[in-house]
Amino acid sequence: QVQLQESGPGLVKVSETLSLTCTVSGGSINNYYWSWIRQPPGKGLEWIGNFYYNEATNYNPSLKNRITMEVDTSKNQFSLKLTSVTGADTAVYYCARGKNFEFWGRGILVPVSS
Amino acid sequence: QSALTQPASVSGSPGQSITISCTGTSSDIGDYNYVSWHQQHPGKAPKLMIYDVSNRPSGVSNRFSGSKSGNTASLTISGLQTEDEAHYYCSSYRHSDTWVFGGGTKLTVL
Repeated sequence: QVQLQESGPGLVKVSETLSLTCTVSGGSINNYYWSWIRQPPGKGLEWIGNFYYNEATNYNPSLKNRITMEVDTSKNQFSLKLTSVTGADTAVYYCARGKNFEFWGRGILVPVSS
Repeated sequence: QSALTQPASVSGSPGQSITISCTGTSSDIGDYNYVSWHQQHPGKAPKLMIYDVSNRPSGVSNRFSGSKSGNTASLTISGLQTEDEAHYYCSSYRHSDTWVFGGGTKLTVL
């Protein structure tokens, strides 16, 4: 059974860069779509972006200018960088597998503080 | 990027059936069969319940079913049980290799 685990700092300051890593176990990262999704406290889900192995990354147009996603196949990990964060970026960040998001990590809360 | 439209809340009694709608456009639901539904209990990660409009992953109860007509997808839960009380989110592929979620629907089992 594939498992995903998000990791990163517990707090980010306004205007800084949020950096998260998703570690995949129980399966190879060399297939499927892999996504980042976030959920502000008390609100709904927002798709951030995804990639398919060896193909281009795809980003939410509303976040495109601030996002970078990368993959490290040697570690079976992929990452998210979100620049110039504000309080509106405070959210639980999830990584997920597949076009239909069939497997999810447990999520990591990233508060943005001033 | 505008979200898909879902009702904020629905409710039903145990044993009843309910349907949650998810309305998009011809650029997403209307043109693609990559619609999925996710269940989320408080403090938990979402769980896939329906994919590709009407398919159930292994282990998901057959009380959950999905359908689509035009730009609107629907999730139906029959024989409501108390453990079905949760938030439900639809998602769809949208043109230009992007994905979009609905705003979410809170299901209350009375």
